[in-house]
Amino acid sequence: DGGITQSPKYLFRKEGQNVTLSCEQNLNHDAMYWYRQDPGQGLRLIYYSQIVNDFQKGDIAEGYSVSREKKESFPLTVTSAQKNPTAFYLCASSIGALSYEQYFGPGTRLTVT
Amino acid sequence: DAKTTQPPSMDCAEGRAANLPCNHSTISGNEYVYWYRQIHSQGPQYIIHGLKNNETNEMASLIITEDRKSSTLILPHATLRDTAVYYCIVRVPNNDMRFGAGTRLTVKP
Repeated sequence: DGGITQSPKYLFRKEGQNVTLSCEQNLNHDAMYWYRQDPGQGLRLIYYSQIVNDFQKGDIAEGYSVSREKKESFPLTVTSAQKNPTAFYLCASSIGALSYEQYFGPGTRLTVT
Repeated sequence: DAKTTQPPSMDCAEGRAANLPCNHSTISGNEYVYWYRQIHSQGPQYIIHGLKNNETNEMASLIITEDRKSSTLILPHATLRDTAVYYCIVRVPNNDMRFGAGTRLTVKP
């Protein structure tokens, strides 16, 4: 089955540690995205990538970093510089940046204490 | 992207049509209207999109007013599994999605 996978579903970390969230897609999509969602709120864009080896900052990129070395993979690192890292993180992909529809993964709930 | 306004919550009886409104009075000519939904603790799911004409697919219908300042998502026969937060978004295709708080639809037996 084609789709987007994010692992793990739940992640716990101590404050001051960097943590990397995985996102893999086998849809052959060029564009990939990372969003953050806080309780009761909509999604906010962290980073997006339209093509391999290229990515752009979204609205709330501070404290996060990404890489896009392979078309299928777009990992997100939450660094210790992120002030409020506890959130629900969603990865998405689309055929291209011009496409109408984004496909979302199941999300990773990160808790930092 | 144009801002959208949606009611924070709505209820619907199971088996009845759910009509979810969205205001987007500042929409520009090249912006599409998209609807996504998010079931609790899952990723959002695409439902439908349109530019000017009404659209229908296997999930829902989208009715866009002639002046394009508002739209309505219609779930013709709501089931309990349609309980979710529904997001109305307006964007041009090469811009990122801007999700607001959406409408929390509760389908009741």
